[in-house]
Amino acid sequence: AQSVTQLGSHVSVSEGALVLLRCNYSSSVPPYLFWYVQYPNQGLQLLLKYTSAATLVKGINGFEAEFKKSETSFHLTKPSAHMSDAAEYFCAVSPPNTGNQFYFGTGTSLTVIP
Amino acid sequence: GAGVSQSPRYKVAKRGQDVALRCDPISGHVSLFWYQQALGQGPEFLTYFQNEAQLDKSGLPSDRFFAERPEGSVSTLKIQRTQQEDSAVYLCASSQVGTGFFEDGYTFGSGTRLTVV
Repeated sequence: AQSVTQLGSHVSVSEGALVLLRCNYSSSVPPYLFWYVQYPNQGLQLLLKYTSAATLVKGINGFEAEFKKSETSFHLTKPSAHMSDAAEYFCAVSPPNTGNQFYFGTGTSLTVIP
Repeated sequence: GAGVSQSPRYKVAKRGQDVALRCDPISGHVSLFWYQQALGQGPEFLTYFQNEAQLDKSGLPSDRFFAERPEGSVSTLKIQRTQQEDSAVYLCASSQVGTGFFEDGYTFGSGTRLTVV
């Protein structure tokens, strides 16, 4: 069974500070991993994805994530937070060759303090 | 269209009422998905279409939920005899990929927020 754990349902950072949002997955086979962002009253927008190529993945808006198989993690980072980064962030996994659905974490709400 | 369009954006239904939620995927996208997002939760899979064929409906919570995509484009999610626990945001997503793994992810619509009172 697939599961995704996002540690910390709420994260607050100061503007300009490092953003770190945690995601761990459980899977017998390394899955493909995604981070989505959701702004209020909007759908989910793809930030970045890991699909078994480079383990350090760069996405939009200055975000990046590193796949660490030994830790079963795919944490999302951004060196310097901007006010516009305030949103809900979801980690998702999709096991290769086992189906079409994504399994989402419960989300982390990011607040950026001016 | 340029994106995935869902209507209505908001729907308030009385308990026991039937509702229909519409999704217009991106033109030419083969695959279409419905997800349910309860308050404070991540989206959960409901069902998946490839063209007009419903290939996976394992996530539909009960037989009150029914989805169709008769011509392989627009899809409708119908909920019969709505219950309070059906209150959620219903997200539709589409993908150009027809089979295999969706390594490019989906394009999501803005969702329909259903409130059952």
